[in-house]
Amino acid sequence: DTGVSQDPRHKITKRGQNVTFRCDPISEHNRLYWYRQTLGQGPEFLTYFQNEAQLEKSRLLSDRFSAERPKGSFSTLEIQRTEQGDSAMYLCASSFIGTSGAYEQYFGPGTRLTVT
Amino acid sequence: KQEVTQIPAALSVPEGENLVLNCSFTDSAIYNLQWFRQDPGKGLTSLLLIQSSQREQTSGRLNASLDKSSGRSTLYIAASQPGDSATYLCAAARRSNDYKLSFGAGTTVTVRA
Repeated sequence: DTGVSQDPRHKITKRGQNVTFRCDPISEHNRLYWYRQTLGQGPEFLTYFQNEAQLEKSRLLSDRFSAERPKGSFSTLEIQRTEQGDSAMYLCASSFIGTSGAYEQYFGPGTRLTVT
Repeated sequence: KQEVTQIPAALSVPEGENLVLNCSFTDSAIYNLQWFRQDPGKGLTSLLLIQSSQREQTSGRLNASLDKSSGRSTLYIAASQPGDSATYLCAAARRSNDYKLSFGAGTTVTVRA
């Protein structure tokens, strides 16, 4: 397994356009998280999944954002009607949660979004 | 809510010096704490994870300590090298928060050759 992958690595879009990002977690991981990171700050939690179920959406996630994880495998994050304030690094992480507890989160390389 | 702070925001040291990076958190009821490295424009690489029951964790030149009672973790990097230049982030997970990570803003380290 090569770890968590994200696609695309960079995306430049014009304000008002829709964008979709993809995350492929480590195959045996049942948890998948999305975080957003702006320059000079640590990542902030956006949403997460346990298998295919979306468990929580942060208040940072407006109605323009939607995420899915069909069949509990890869996940997509869509932003509709992008705004300049959406410009950030979008990070995906995965981990395994079991009866013995939670294991470390592994992060992908991120998708850098620039909205012009 | 868990608040995580990393001070200083930036650090510059000559090659060979030992690095000491600080992380403080407000809620001592953590489940575990992770240290990450981030190179410019890149994702996060996990360095060390310390469970709440542990006092320290070591990997090569890296050693991380955890003191829950004082709400602090410290990452030590021995004999720093220019290749250690990066931003180092700490993140705390709580069972009550379903293990979501709360991050500090990071410490950017420059090791001068």
